[in-house]
Amino acid sequence: AQSVTQLDSQVPVFEEAPVELRCNYSSSVSVYLFWYVQYPNQGLQLLLKYLSGSTLVKGINGFEAEFNKSQTSFHLRKPSVHISDTAEYFCAVSPMNTGFQKLVFGTGTRLLVSP
Amino acid sequence: GAVVSQHPSRVICKSGTSVKIECRSLDFQATTMFWYRQFPKKSLMLMATSNEGSKATYEQGVEKDKFLINHASLTLSTLTVTSAHPEDSSFYICSARVLAEPEQFFGPGTRLTVL
Repeated sequence: AQSVTQLDSQVPVFEEAPVELRCNYSSSVSVYLFWYVQYPNQGLQLLLKYLSGSTLVKGINGFEAEFNKSQTSFHLRKPSVHISDTAEYFCAVSPMNTGFQKLVFGTGTRLLVSP
Repeated sequence: GAVVSQHPSRVICKSGTSVKIECRSLDFQATTMFWYRQFPKKSLMLMATSNEGSKATYEQGVEKDKFLINHASLTLSTLTVTSAHPEDSSFYICSARVLAEPEQFFGPGTRLTVL
């Protein structure tokens, strides 16, 4: 079975400051990793994904994440946030042996960017 | 990117009635569609997975007679909440994917309120 832990339920930050949203996972098999963003009353939008190759992954809107296999982490970072980045962010894993048929989500982190 | 729509975006119904939610992939053919339920300040919980032309696979604890899923074509899946009760009130989100592609594309969600 898989589980995803997002320790921070809410992260307040000032505009133009850097931010890191933490994600740790547990799995008995290898996984693919994803970060999704959800704006109020909307569905989820893919920010970035790690399937293989370089452990540093760049996504949309200036976000990046680094896969650390030894620490089973996939933290999301942005060097300078905007007000428009205020949203809910979900980390998710997909076990490699399910053919991408299964996504297990963390509980989400609300990023609050203030001026 | 691929677009997934849901209809209606919001529905209010009386206890005991049935409600149908549609999920459509607008610009691609989805081999698999997924239905999730999201509680306030909680993660997404996978309810069921449906492949076109075959019966849906429900997650443990999800009542298949209460949450009827039909995946009649490669672009349309429906979720019918039968005999809805106030505890069924939630945000329902669908997603769709193409065979062998890792990404799930999410719809904007449907807010169901049962009075």
